[in-house]
Amino acid sequence: SQKIEQNSEALNIQEGKTATLTCNYTNYSPAYLQWYRQDPGRGPVFLLLIRENEKEKRKERLKVTFDTTLKQSLFHITASQPADSATYLCALREYGNKLVFGAGTILRVKS
Amino acid sequence: DADVTQTPRNRITKTGKRIMLECSQTKGHDRMYWYRQDPGLGLRLIYYSFDVKDINKGEISDGYSVSRQAQAKFSLSLESAIPNQTALYFCATSDEPGSTDTQYFGPGTRLTVL
Repeated sequence: SQKIEQNSEALNIQEGKTATLTCNYTNYSPAYLQWYRQDPGRGPVFLLLIRENEKEKRKERLKVTFDTTLKQSLFHITASQPADSATYLCALREYGNKLVFGAGTILRVKS
Repeated sequence: DADVTQTPRNRITKTGKRIMLECSQTKGHDRMYWYRQDPGLGLRLIYYSFDVKDINKGEISDGYSVSRQAQAKFSLSLESAIPNQTALYFCATSDEPGSTDTQYFGPGTRLTVL
């Protein structure tokens, strides 16, 4: 069966450290993968997109990697801040299909 | 003003009642979606529409119906609400898939069915 797996346990890190979140998938051949941020009581907000032929994408303190052999994407936040605390969702899309979301990982950055 | 708005933001109703959730967008996108979010299950697609004359079922359409009244408006109805439809509901829009198909979400409607 097709699955998108994100760590269900919250990730707790200290301010200033790098947070790394994982998105693994099974039985998908994604054309691209997206990462969203969701704050409590709000809708998800798009952060970054990476295509199947790209290895890495950066935006300010954010970095996404995509390994189609390992079927995994890693999402990094460098120099993390308490304001980065949120739930982070990965989503992938196969050609001709709809975007499919993972359940998300809660990130807590402590000062 | 927000690009994607949803009304109501919170609703408590009883089993068997008909409920309508409304979504409006000012982004000018043709594509609109309805998702529900449950703890531990992520966002699941209920219905989607690629234009006013196009309506498609998603992963979990049973018990729901939709209406696309205009490019900017997409409503979700629960004809006879049941308790397991208690969830957070999100409307979203997206641009053409040839670009990124990035989803723009509304603020959500928290629905409780007693």
